[in-house]
Amino acid sequence: SQTIHQWPATLVQPVGSPLSLECTVEGTSNPNLYWYRQAAGRGLQLLFYSVGIGQISSEVPQNLSASRPQDRQFILSSKKLLLSDSGFYLCAWSPRQRIYNEQFFGPGTRLTVL
Amino acid sequence: QQPVQSPQAVILREGEDAVINCSSSKALYSVHWYRQKHGEAPVFLMILLKGGEQKGHEKISASFNEKKQQSSLYLTASQLSYSGTYFCGTVLSGTYKYIFGTGTRLKVLA
Repeated sequence: SQTIHQWPATLVQPVGSPLSLECTVEGTSNPNLYWYRQAAGRGLQLLFYSVGIGQISSEVPQNLSASRPQDRQFILSSKKLLLSDSGFYLCAWSPRQRIYNEQFFGPGTRLTVL
Repeated sequence: QQPVQSPQAVILREGEDAVINCSSSKALYSVHWYRQKHGEAPVFLMILLKGGEQKGHEKISASFNEKKQQSSLYLTASQLSYSGTYFCGTVLSGTYKYIFGTGTRLKVLA
């Protein structure tokens, strides 16, 4: 069966510090991978998605970036965090062979920027 | 572009029924439903495909009307465990871009 991991589970960072969040998927190959952010009490904002190694589509953020160095690894980064970057960061995968792309989520990382 | 869900929030007593709607301004080819409990990641519940298909999960069922670009989630005889935020979601046609609806907060009281 497939499993998706995220770490760390929680993170408290000062404004202006760098960020690196990691997501890995086990039990499948060539998945589509997604990063979402959820502000407190709000909906799910798509940040990035990737359909293959080195292929990244960016949706919104200016101070965030994503990379996919390996097939089942997806990394979210920032050089300088803003207060507005606080939130619940969720990584999700969907099977490439499924055209409907239903999303299966990791446990998430709760980030607080002070 | 984001599907709109209604109502935004609903409070029920155990055993009561509820309906959550999801409407899109763009053509839908499939609709997915998720439940997110407080402090946790969303969990995929079911997928609805074109053709007015209905599916069920526990006492939760859903319908999809592609002509109206709408889907509805039906929660029957609600239980305390149904509390959470429900999202519909779909992939944009011809892309791998995924979008979620605005969300509906559901609270079931004893």
